[in-house]
Amino acid sequence: DSGVTQTPKHLITATGQRVTLRCSPRSGDLSVYWYQQSLDQGLQFLIQYYNGEERAKGNILERFSAQQFPDLHSELNLSSLELGDSALYFCASGQGTYEQYFGPGTRLTVT
Amino acid sequence: AQKVTQAQTEISVVEKEDVTLDCVYETRDTTYYLFWYKQPPSGELVFLIRRNSFDEQNEISGRYSWNFQKSTSSFNFTITASQVVDSAVYFCALSNYGQNFVFGPGTRLSVLP
Repeated sequence: DSGVTQTPKHLITATGQRVTLRCSPRSGDLSVYWYQQSLDQGLQFLIQYYNGEERAKGNILERFSAQQFPDLHSELNLSSLELGDSALYFCASGQGTYEQYFGPGTRLTVT
Repeated sequence: AQKVTQAQTEISVVEKEDVTLDCVYETRDTTYYLFWYKQPPSGELVFLIRRNSFDEQNEISGRYSWNFQKSTSSFNFTITASQVVDSAVYFCALSNYGQNFVFGPGTRLSVLP
């Protein structure tokens, strides 16, 4: 158990809808990272937050947004969902900007 | 642009064999970090190691060892005396000073009893 929690575990929704994925980092970790893993694209880095501030942006679509709250938990918002957004979404946390500890992931299915 | 190549898509070995997973990277940065992660069949991702670009010392951790060679832009991972529990997909990743992460496509390792 990495100490990182993600909710929900599974999410099934329809195209065009909006969903929010939640991540609680390990106690004391200031960095939160979001990743998408799909069969087509492999593992892709989406975005990183450090102590509430956006630190780095990867291949995140404009339909997606994220934030990190004062209590350091983070939410990834996915809107106008398309079939191709179906994937496993991982959150990771770490102290500083290097090591990462991953949550169990949220499996999103868009129908 | 940064890129990570893991040329071995799948590897099968018999238990107790040694196996090396290859990772070749491309970056223009002089400061960067290299990582290895393991994704067992259960699906979670496990961080294995981080190496910075200024430290070319090889590292050993139990049955795991890593060989970082800047001259060939490689960061290979060797499992000695493999075990069935080592069966997983292994990802190599590159980060420019801890910001953007680029992952390789992964190598699926199957260790047969």
